[in-house]
Amino acid sequence: GAVVSQHPSWVICKSGTSVKIECRSLDFQATTMFWYRQFPKQSLMLMATSNEGSKATYEQGVEKDKFLINHASLTLSTLTVTSAHPEDSSFYICSARDTVSNQPQHFGDGTRLSIL
Amino acid sequence: AQSVTQLGSHVSVSEGALVLLRCNYSSSVPPYLFWYVQYPNQGLQLLLKYTTGATLVKGINGFEAEFKKSETSFHLTKPSAHMSDAAEYFCAATLYSSASKIIFGSGTRLSIRP
Repeated sequence: GAVVSQHPSWVICKSGTSVKIECRSLDFQATTMFWYRQFPKQSLMLMATSNEGSKATYEQGVEKDKFLINHASLTLSTLTVTSAHPEDSSFYICSARDTVSNQPQHFGDGTRLSIL
Repeated sequence: AQSVTQLGSHVSVSEGALVLLRCNYSSSVPPYLFWYVQYPNQGLQLLLKYTTGATLVKGINGFEAEFKKSETSFHLTKPSAHMSDAAEYFCAATLYSSASKIIFGSGTRLSIRP
């Protein structure tokens, strides 16, 4: 079946560094991908909608300069957390929508980001 | 505005007992509805979905849910709980099958007692 791969699954880095998370659709093309953030014991909050070949659409309250999204191909979207700080530590999950089929979004396994 | 409400942040049942996780939605039009399961440090796995047609939807792992428009509900049930069912469950909705962003409920943690 369709699979969405997220990499890395876990990353620890120092405060002030930038971290890039990749989201790939492995066997389908995804015009649209979504990035979510999940704090411990909480639900998923949509951060932004990533659109292939155009600018991402950010949800209210999400800093676009802080969370850079690039969707350069139909199978890859990246989220870069710039100048990360401890408060950015969270679980980030992406999902992708199959452009051709009308199936629900497929979710990646998430990335655990810890900023020291 | 569209919203999803899950009643009960934590539900605990005995192994073999009925599982009932509640979900209500508010939307100006009937949305597409989903139930997802999340195991620790993992992404989301789709349990089942309702789009159109039959209101009783069967999913994986013996779960099912019934769409009740009059009650704006989409409760998740399983006749007999298994230890492996312990996880976080999210109800979600979108106005279209996958073109629109998904709105998630706050989640319900299901614990299974031996």
